[in-house]
Amino acid sequence: GIQVEQSPPDLILQEGANSTLRCNFSDSVNNLQWFHQNPWGQLINLFYIPSGTKQNGRLSATTVATERYSLLYISSSQTTDSGVYFCAAESTSGTYKYIFGTGTRLKVLA
Amino acid sequence: EAQVTQNPRYLITVTGKKLTVTCSQNMNHEYMSWYRQDPGLGLRQIYYSMNVEVTDKGDVPEGYKVSRKEKRNFPLILESPSPNQTSLYFCASRGAVGSEAFFGQGTRLTVV
Repeated sequence: GIQVEQSPPDLILQEGANSTLRCNFSDSVNNLQWFHQNPWGQLINLFYIPSGTKQNGRLSATTVATERYSLLYISSSQTTDSGVYFCAAESTSGTYKYIFGTGTRLKVLA
Repeated sequence: EAQVTQNPRYLITVTGKKLTVTCSQNMNHEYMSWYRQDPGLGLRQIYYSMNVEVTDKGDVPEGYKVSRKEKRNFPLILESPSPNQTSLYFCASRGAVGSEAFFGQGTRLTVV
């Protein structure tokens, strides 16, 4: 089945810094989403982005489906950005299942 | 507001005492699923349903049951919970294959 890998596994930033999180997937995908898991465990939907580029405030994401990767950009990071960021992909093989990456744990220091 | 609602949010129970975690969505989605999240293992699919009365096993179905009698509801049933089912559970729903998935707030279950 499809493999989803994220990097880096851990990231520590000073408030105000920018960062790029990467998600590689091993197969063609119908769908790709980025989530932020907050300290209370909730999965917050950041982007639905099977291809192309989207922006939402300080966050933006780009998926290059032909090269099987997606990037999440965080600019001017804030302490509230701390948490774990997951990407999840659904393979075109039709299993109707999201495969989650192992996540990037981000800590933003004041 | 489009949402997936799980209840309860937190539950502590004892081994062997049957419990049900409810999941309801208001988006008329065909596809619903359950995941569990464990440290070091990530999120893994338990069961999924492609429509009313159609359910199938995911990657870790042992010890769980589901039902899909109505389109909006997809309860997760633990007939005889054991400590290894202590986990964070998520319900998700979406429309067609490839469409955006919506996740519930999560249910943190502890079995003692």
